[in-house]
Amino acid sequence: GAVVSQHPSWVICKSGTSVKIECRSLDFQATTMFWYRQFPKQSLMLMATSNEGSKATYEQGVEKDKFLINHASLTLSTLTVTSAHPEDSSFYICSARTQGGFYGYTFGSGTRLTVV
Amino acid sequence: GENVEQHPSTLSVQEGDSAVIKCTYSDSASNYFPWYKQELGKGPQLIIDIRSNVGEKKDQRIAVTLNKTAKHFSLHITETQPEDSAVYFCAGGDFGNEKLTFGTGTRLTIIP
Repeated sequence: GAVVSQHPSWVICKSGTSVKIECRSLDFQATTMFWYRQFPKQSLMLMATSNEGSKATYEQGVEKDKFLINHASLTLSTLTVTSAHPEDSSFYICSARTQGGFYGYTFGSGTRLTVV
Repeated sequence: GENVEQHPSTLSVQEGDSAVIKCTYSDSASNYFPWYKQELGKGPQLIIDIRSNVGEKKDQRIAVTLNKTAKHFSLHITETQPEDSAVYFCAGGDFGNEKLTFGTGTRLTIIP
């Protein structure tokens, strides 16, 4: 089945530094990937839609200069949290749309970011 | 945009009994309704989904029903087992814009 690999699974960084999170589709080509943010005991909030070879589309209220998204190939999208602050601490999850059947969405395993 | 509400937020069920989680959506254009299971520290895993041209779908102990007129859909888990304990999210979306809007989640606990 479709597999989306996300790395790292957890990261701790200092305030002011940048962190990159990778999302790879291992056995399929993903022209579109999605990035979500999830606070403890809350739902998933869509941050941006990442399209291969073009600029990401950000949801309202998401700072595109702070959350840099790159989708350079059909199997890789990256999210860079720039100049991280403690309030950026969260669980970040990517997903990719897969074809076949009813066009399911496969999620990565998530990245727990802690900014200290 | 789409708004998805989910109830209950927590649910405890005796092992072997059934569990039902309900969701409502607001956008009549939504045509795809997946359900995800999320275990602690992991990403959501798709467990079942349904499209708007189908009223019910079943996969072993799991079933989903959809009422387009009332704009609500439900997840039914029968013969619950301890490994069913997790957080379950419903979602709604339109293939036209590819976005999924998630419900607020239900923490299901199966009591042995």
